Amino acid sequence: GAVVSQHPSRVICKSGTSVKIECRSLDFQATTMFWYRQFPKQSLMLMATSNEGSKATYEQGVEKDKFLINHASLTLSTLTVTSAHPEDSSFYICSASSGVSSYEQYFGPGTRLTVT
Amino acid sequence: ELKVEQNPLFLSMQEGKNYTIYCNYSTTSDRLYWYRQDPGKSLESLFVLLSNGAVKQEGRLMASLDTKARLSTLHITAAVHDLSATYFCAVAASGTYKYIFGTGTRLKVLA
Repeated sequence: GAVVSQHPSRVICKSGTSVKIECRSLDFQATTMFWYRQFPKQSLMLMATSNEGSKATYEQGVEKDKFLINHASLTLSTLTVTSAHPEDSSFYICSASSGVSSYEQYFGPGTRLTVT
Repeated sequence: ELKVEQNPLFLSMQEGKNYTIYCNYSTTSDRLYWYRQDPGKSLESLFVLLSNGAVKQEGRLMASLDTKARLSTLHITAAVHDLSATYFCAVAASGTYKYIFGTGTRLKVLA
């Protein structure tokens, strides 16, 4: 149980274009979803927290107009990187929590974004 | 602000040896998680520690939590090459869902 998927697993896009990444909880309802970014050989940095049906809460230093997050249902959250630039190239990982028991987050497999 | 530090950052060890990775955090928390990450992959959950004094073991790995000292340890017993990976601890501040990740420890086990 507690499976989280992400799509796509890898994406290459040109500078200036936008790319959407989907995060789905497959076998549970996720009241809260999280988006992380991980640069090579570094730790995971939380970008934003989203609750179903409400606006995402962004961490300090994360541009909300550049990283659009939508949590339209209890099983789906999307991250759209708008007007992508090479410095946005990174590994993006989502996680989902059902909000019960240990508040544990379940992590997706990640999406490797390369902006050329 | 919750801060999480791990040490060492890098660890190269011989097969068969024992070693401990430390995770210190700065404010009150009663939930701590350990993850493994292989290159190019996402996180694999290893342990969930929810109370002071909690100790969990799986194979050659054992994790413990001391909430009073704000310290968790991940002990490796008789390391094998397959344990080579990056290990992260993550701490959830009390009353929140948010995790703050440690810096990670890159472990290389030499045959």
